[in-house]
Amino acid sequence: GDSVTQMEGPVTLSEEAFLTINCTYTATGYPSLFWYVQYPGEGLQLLLKATKADDKGSNKGFEATYRKETTSFHLEKGSVQVSDSAVYFCALSGSGGSYIPTFGRGTSLIVHP
Amino acid sequence: DGGITQSPKYLFRKEGQNVTLSCEQNLNHDAMYWYRQDPGQGLRLIYYSQIVNDFQKGDIAEGYSVSREKKESFPLTVTSAQKNPTAFYLCATTTGGDYGYTFGSGTRLTVV
Repeated sequence: GDSVTQMEGPVTLSEEAFLTINCTYTATGYPSLFWYVQYPGEGLQLLLKATKADDKGSNKGFEATYRKETTSFHLEKGSVQVSDSAVYFCALSGSGGSYIPTFGRGTSLIVHP
Repeated sequence: DGGITQSPKYLFRKEGQNVTLSCEQNLNHDAMYWYRQDPGQGLRLIYYSQIVNDFQKGDIAEGYSVSREKKESFPLTVTSAQKNPTAFYLCATTTGGDYGYTFGSGTRLTVV
């Protein structure tokens, strides 16, 4: 079946540091890929997405590129802020025609001033 | 503004009680989902519905029940058969897999 693997957290950074959160996936067909963010006590919010190979999703300074050859969708940001502290989830859907999403386990990001 | 409303935000249940969590959406989305979130375990799918009057079990449906009588509403009942119901419950909708999912703000259920 489909699966999404994210790097273990927590990831702890100082403000203005560069962020990478790794995400790799296993799926049939050509799924769409997503990053969601969850702030404490809240639901998930869609951060960015990419629907086909080589697409780059971007939002609020975050970027991720759909790499079919390495089955990866790594999240990056050039300069993190304290307000970016949250849990980040990588997800896929549309594999084999299914709209049921598959989520990674989430990666906690802690940014210190 | 369109969105998903989950209520209540906090819910306490006594042993042996059934409780119902509400999920209402005004996005006109066809598909609705219920997830359970436990610390360090990500999201686990409980039930989903892709059209009115139809729903399917997810990975952890035992001890839960749902209904989908209206497009806008997808309530989740946590029954007394669910042995460990303390968790954060999230409702989500989508209009299609490529568009991503919209989540509610969640209900935190605690057994007392």
